[in-house]
Amino acid sequence: DAKTTQPNSMESNEEEPVHLPCNHSTISGTDYIHWYRQLPSQGPEYVIHGLTSNVNNRMASLAIAEDRKSSTLILHRATLRDAAVYYCILRDGDMRFGAGTRLTVKP
Amino acid sequence: GAGVSQSPSNKVTEKGKDVELRCDPISGHTALYWYRQSLGQGLEFLIYFQGNSAPDKSGLPSDRFSAERTGGSVSTLTIQRTQQEDSAVYLCASSYSGGYSYNEQFFGPGTRLTVL
Repeated sequence: DAKTTQPNSMESNEEEPVHLPCNHSTISGTDYIHWYRQLPSQGPEYVIHGLTSNVNNRMASLAIAEDRKSSTLILHRATLRDAAVYYCILRDGDMRFGAGTRLTVKP
Repeated sequence: GAGVSQSPSNKVTEKGKDVELRCDPISGHTALYWYRQSLGQGLEFLIYFQGNSAPDKSGLPSDRFSAERTGGSVSTLTIQRTQQEDSAVYLCASSYSGGYSYNEQFFGPGTRLTVL
């Protein structure tokens, strides 16, 4: 059973920021929030993860709600290469992917 | 360093035959996962190995599916009496330790299985 809820699809314009939401209302205190993405015809790749504080890396930023029941993956300037399915996962040993959000980036 | 490797990259088989899919995780990674992905679908968890612990087999869809992990390294996923609905990309991933929930997974390129 998926522990996270994400929109099925989102669209963005190239070079604009994208905010990908994820709800995880049943999160436990030790669950890390992980984001992966899957480009067409490739295996998933790690994007970012966090526990309580907001996180930044070269790929994206992760904003975590104070109650940790939701989070948002932020791509600061979407490029055409960012078109992918984005998965939000609660990491607690095994890792079960939901359906993710299919991001389309328009030129 | 080498990433997760899987073989074969493509496998075409006839209905009813058995197939073996291989995964070589990153050296030193104690956790290993198998997933499958049907065309246009999300990832479906199959099985999870963590060190010497008993594997979590809760995702295996039927008793035709089994997996082993020898010596805590290489893993083989076996599908017996293949059916057309088994056609999918089978993905393997490893992580440094599945017991620590901050560890990221590294995925292999997958094996595309086609059952005729």
